[in-house]
Amino acid sequence: AQSVTQLGSHVSVSEGALVLLRCNYSSSVPPYLFWYVQYPNQGLQLLLKYTTGATLVKGINGFEAEFKKSETSFHLTKPSAHMSDAAEYFCAVRIKAAGNKLTFGGGTRVLVKP
Amino acid sequence: EAGVTQFPSHSVIEKGQTVTLRCDPISGHDNLYWYRRVMGKEIKFLLHFVKESKQDESGMPNNRFLAERTGGTYSTLKVQPAELEDSGVYFCASSQRMGGQGSTDTQYFGPGTRLTVL
Repeated sequence: AQSVTQLGSHVSVSEGALVLLRCNYSSSVPPYLFWYVQYPNQGLQLLLKYTTGATLVKGINGFEAEFKKSETSFHLTKPSAHMSDAAEYFCAVRIKAAGNKLTFGGGTRVLVKP
Repeated sequence: EAGVTQFPSHSVIEKGQTVTLRCDPISGHDNLYWYRRVMGKEIKFLLHFVKESKQDESGMPNNRFLAERTGGTYSTLKVQPAELEDSGVYFCASSQRMGGQGSTDTQYFGPGTRLTVL
């Protein structure tokens, strides 16, 4: 069965600094990969996804992620953190042969310091 | 366009009681999903409807949980009787196309219902 590991349940960054959220997955077949963000009192919002093609994926709000098959990783980055980036971020995978369900990591809560 | 809505936003009940959660998907979305996040754990899949049919209910924890989607529109998730370990946030999501396995359709999530069982 597939699984997703997010390193660090809490991350603190300074405003203007690099945001790096790590996601590793285990799967016997190539998965589809997703990053979602949850702002307070809101539902999960899709930041970006990788299905096929270019391994560097750009998403909303200046975020991007790179699929590295050899490392089974899909780390999320943003060059310069903004106060509005404070939220919880979830990495998820979908295995083509296992239906449409998403398998999530444990989430990483980002705190942005002024 | 209205997003996925869920009702209630919060529910506090006592052990042994019954609770029904409701989800209204985005209009026109055939696929509807239920997920749950128990405190401190990851979000876990419960089940998937395609229109009114259960496509995958492999994540349903036990027979105290009953999900329905009559008419292929809104869905309800009933917990009867509720136990302490049922506490958590229940998310609903929807996606558009019927899609085969491994659909790349984006799942749009609602804000969740926070269930507390005392």
